[in-house]
This record gives sequence, structure tokens and C-alpha cells, in this order.
Amino acid sequence: GDQVEQSPSALSLHEGTGSALRCNFTTTMRAVQWFRKNSRGSLINLFYLASGTKENGRLKSAFDSKERYSTLHIRDAQLEDSGTYFCAGDRGSALGRLHFGAGTQLIVIP
Amino acid sequence: EAGVTQSPRYAVLQEGQAVSFWCDPISGHDTLYWYQQPRDQGPQLLVYFRDEAVIDNSQLPSDRFSAVRPKGTNSTLKIQSAKQGDTATYLCASSSRGGSSYEQYFGPGTRLTVL
Repeated sequence: GDQVEQSPSALSLHEGTGSALRCNFTTTMRAVQWFRKNSRGSLINLFYLASGTKENGRLKSAFDSKERYSTLHIRDAQLEDSGTYFCAGDRGSALGRLHFGAGTQLIVIP
Repeated sequence: EAGVTQSPRYAVLQEGQAVSFWCDPISGHDTLYWYQQPRDQGPQLLVYFRDEAVIDNSQLPSDRFSAVRPKGTNSTLKIQSAKQGDTATYLCASSSRGGSSYEQYFGPGTRLTVL
């Protein structure tokens, strides 16, 4: 939606390298979620952050509510990391409705 | 713990036909969401429920779309008289108000093609 600007829209990485995805929010978000869409089309939960940073294996995410952005860092990319990554912001209105970015299509090259 | 389940996984219709999608949220999750995801776009909320009550259906095309969650558990999304523009993946998600997190968990979706 127009409240979430996600970049880049597409990204190619060689195996073993890394990069960062970013989401800028046009309004204050209470929390952010990051997802990866797998080959079967399912959205896999990667992170939920209300503030600060979280790390899980080769993935690390940060969220700054005041500065209105979130990042997802991928290091040592593997072929199975290929897919479309989405961020989604929760504005804090009743019950946590999510506003999604348009996604980043990641291709990891051997 | 079972995740969010949806059926069918795929549907192909002619314009003007009706279709229903079914969602079973994670057990104990009181909030259920329906999203529409056109190809190559992020999901967009259609409607969501807390228990059996509709909280927000402002994005639901009310003349052809309807959604119910009569017992506060499973939910059905129905499209009457489908149009080609309805071609998209329909995602169901659930969350729980318990604790400090409103993390949403998504089902595999129903991919709808309207010819």
C-alpha cells in the first residue's frame, strides 16, 4: 500500500554474499513483520519487531519506529533464500491490521 | 501446533460465477483477517474479525463480496458474480490479543483465476 515503500523491488546476489532490504513508512508504525514467500506461495514469518533488532541465523532485522523504517539484512546468501520478501507495518489501530510493502524479489545465483 | 489452513488451494471460474473460500485459523486465535494479493503486489486487507464480530470491512467490495465467522473460529469468504479483476490470491491470517504481540500468521492462500 502507499504507507509502505519497500526497496529494492528486485535483487540478485551471488551465493555467500549479503545485502539489505529496506522499508520506509509514511506514518508511524507500532511494529513491523517480515515475511518470505516460499516456492509454494505461503508467507513464512521471519521477524516480528516492536523496536530494536532481532537476529535469526543469517538474517537480521531492525526497526526504528521514530525514524519510520525497518531493514532486513541477509548474510552468506544461500540458494534456498531465493523468493519474495515482504515487510508489513502495524499502525497500532485496533487489532493490528498490517500494511504491506510491494515486496522484494530476491534471486540467489550459484 | 497446526497453522492456518485454507481451502481450496486453487479455483478457476468464468466471469459471473460464485466461489467460496474457507479458513481455519490457529486454535485460540481470536482475530482473523482476509487479504487479497494481486499478482506481483503485497497483500491488501479486505476484512477482519474479532471473534465473530466484523471489525473492519471497509475495503470489502460489498456488492459482491461477503465474509462471515459465525462461531468465532472458522471463516468463509464468498464472491458472488466474480469478475476478471478478482483474479488474485486470497490469504487468511490469524492472531491473538494475548500478550504484547499482534503477530499475524498466514495460511497458504487460495489462488483464484477468473476467465
